[in-house]
Amino acid sequence: AQKITQTQPGMFVQEKEAVTLDCTYDTSDPSYGLFWYKQPSSGEMIFLIYQGSYDQQNATEGRYSLNFQKARKSANLVISASQLGDSAMYFCAMREGGSARQLTFGSGTQLTVLP
Amino acid sequence: DGGITQSPKYLFRKEGQNVTLSCEQNLNHDAMYWYRQDPGQGLRLIYYSQIVNDFQKGDIAEGYSVSREKKESFPLTVTSAQKNPTAFYLCASSIVAGLASNEQFFGPGTRLTVL
Repeated sequence: AQKITQTQPGMFVQEKEAVTLDCTYDTSDPSYGLFWYKQPSSGEMIFLIYQGSYDQQNATEGRYSLNFQKARKSANLVISASQLGDSAMYFCAMREGGSARQLTFGSGTQLTVLP
Repeated sequence: DGGITQSPKYLFRKEGQNVTLSCEQNLNHDAMYWYRQDPGQGLRLIYYSQIVNDFQKGDIAEGYSVSREKKESFPLTVTSAQKNPTAFYLCASSIVAGLASNEQFFGPGTRLTVL
């Protein structure tokens, strides 16, 4: 079974508008962390935001916020006031409890910001 | 500047040849990781290492080998046993101890093409 599911292969958004990128996850571990990374066409992976399973509040980092719904096992990324430079591939990833600290990645969402 | 370097950026290999991808970090991170990314897909874990002289297989280790003789270096060898090695390879590192929120930092990647 997929541990991280991103159901939107591609998304379009108008510049200056907000966009939500979906991510659902599957784990039986009560301790886990959820990450979002951005991958521009250059290929590098850029860390955006983190949400821990025990965090009471949704994470925010500048224009990025994470809509964390634990009961639904979803961790959607919200980008406010989209910019042309936001056009990239976005990956959701999960780290389950334990010492190994590997990340499991979803298949990604290609976001295109339109001028 | 602290970061992760990968070399070369582009690599071409003939079928049947082994090739080694370099990954060096000066972040003083204990853990290092190798991922493979195929076009339009997410990252899959090949190998990871949490400490010098120790490493573990990830989800797709067959046809690959690694070594961790120094904290800063985690080279990946793609052997002739890897049936479909053409892909984008990403190296990452992270702190092991401490907060679960410690993200993985990624290198710029190596694009391997088998001719």
